[in-house]
Parts: sequence; C-alpha cells; structure tokens
Amino acid sequence: GQNIDQPTEMTATEGAIVQINCTYQTSGFNGLFWYQQHAGEAPTFLSYNVLDGLEEKGRFSSFLSRSKGYSYLLLKELQMKDSASYLCAVVDSNYQLIWGAGTKLIIKP
Amino acid sequence: ETGVTQTPRHLVMGMTNKKSLKCEQHLGHNAMYWYKQSAKKPLELMFVYNFKEQTENNSVPSRFSPECPNSSHLFLHLHTLQPEDSALYLCASSQDSGSSYNEQFFGPGTRLTVL
Repeated sequence: GQNIDQPTEMTATEGAIVQINCTYQTSGFNGLFWYQQHAGEAPTFLSYNVLDGLEEKGRFSSFLSRSKGYSYLLLKELQMKDSASYLCAVVDSNYQLIWGAGTKLIIKP
Repeated sequence: ETGVTQTPRHLVMGMTNKKSLKCEQHLGHNAMYWYKQSAKKPLELMFVYNFKEQTENNSVPSRFSPECPNSSHLFLHLHTLQPEDSALYLCASSQDSGSSYNEQFFGPGTRLTVL
C-alpha cells in the first residue's frame, strides 16, 4: 500500500528553527509537495521537490532524498503566524497526490 | 472573486436531508477535485474531473454525487448521509490532473455536520 508518515504534532519556540520530517512509500514518485494549512482555512502551497537536494524559499526550505523516501520542511526564525498544520503529499505513478495526515506545529512565545 | 470559492462554509443536516455543496474556481484551470478532511487523517480524494470528465472515483458511497457542468464549477450533491460523513469538504483545482507538477489550489472548505 501507499503510505506517508509525518509526526502528528510538534512544538517550537518563536525565533527558533524547526524541521518537520516526512517519509513515504508510494507506487512511483513524481514529486513531493508541502502545504500549509491554518486552522479553519484552505491548504496553501509551500514547496515542490522532484530532484534530490534542498530548495530554499525565504524562511522556508524543503529537502528531498528519493533514495531514502524522505523529505523535510525546515522553518527558520519562527513566527507566531507559523502555527499551522503542514501537509506532505507525494505524486505517485498515476499522478495522484497521496497525502500525509499533517503535522500540527505549535509555536510558543 | 479570485481563487477557489466554496459555499456554504458551514452546513448542518439531518440524515434524511438533501443538500448540495458548490465550488467555483476563477483560475482558468481544467481539473477540479473534491476531498474529505477528517481530524488527524490524511486528505481523502473523492472525485477528480479533468476537462469536465470524471477521471477518478475513489470508491465513494453513492450518497455522494458529483456534478461538473463546466471547468469552473463543481458540485457535490448529498443525500441520506451518515454521522460519520461529518467532516471538512475541500474543493481544489489545478491546471490539469495528469502531470507531475500539479499544484492544487484549495477553497476554504465546507464544514459539514450530519445529525
């Protein structure tokens, strides 16, 4: 079967750095997305990785290792507004998005 | 209006009611999706439409009936629902549904409660 694993919840301090991991086992791989979802709101796109390595975009970076079936989202200089759920999703061989259950990130002052 | 809109935002219905959820996208996309989001569970893909044609139906019970009259509008007709159908129903759109870079744009969702 297809499976995406991410921690259920993480807590971090304002101004710090946090890394949210995602491991996957899917039938084929055509890319990996990270989305952010604030409570009661729509998921919004953060990043897309299809090649190994690190993609940096401001305070957020996303890393991919296809051989290990592993990705992480790195958030720097955390702000209170970063409190949200972070969803990992893999594009499988049928070009369908397979979603993880999301990681709820709690930022404390 | 921009992006993806959904109405209503909240819906409470009895098990014998019939209601419809509406989604509209203003992005010129060709693919539209219905997802079910339950607490602490992955997004569940329900239906996919590409150029108004249904391309995916992930074993969804017949009490959920989608309709896509054109590439900009998507409906989800509900009847004889069960309490376990209570969830957030998200609509999304993308340029098309058959490519690797398939960034999906989501609406705010309809919070459905079945009594």
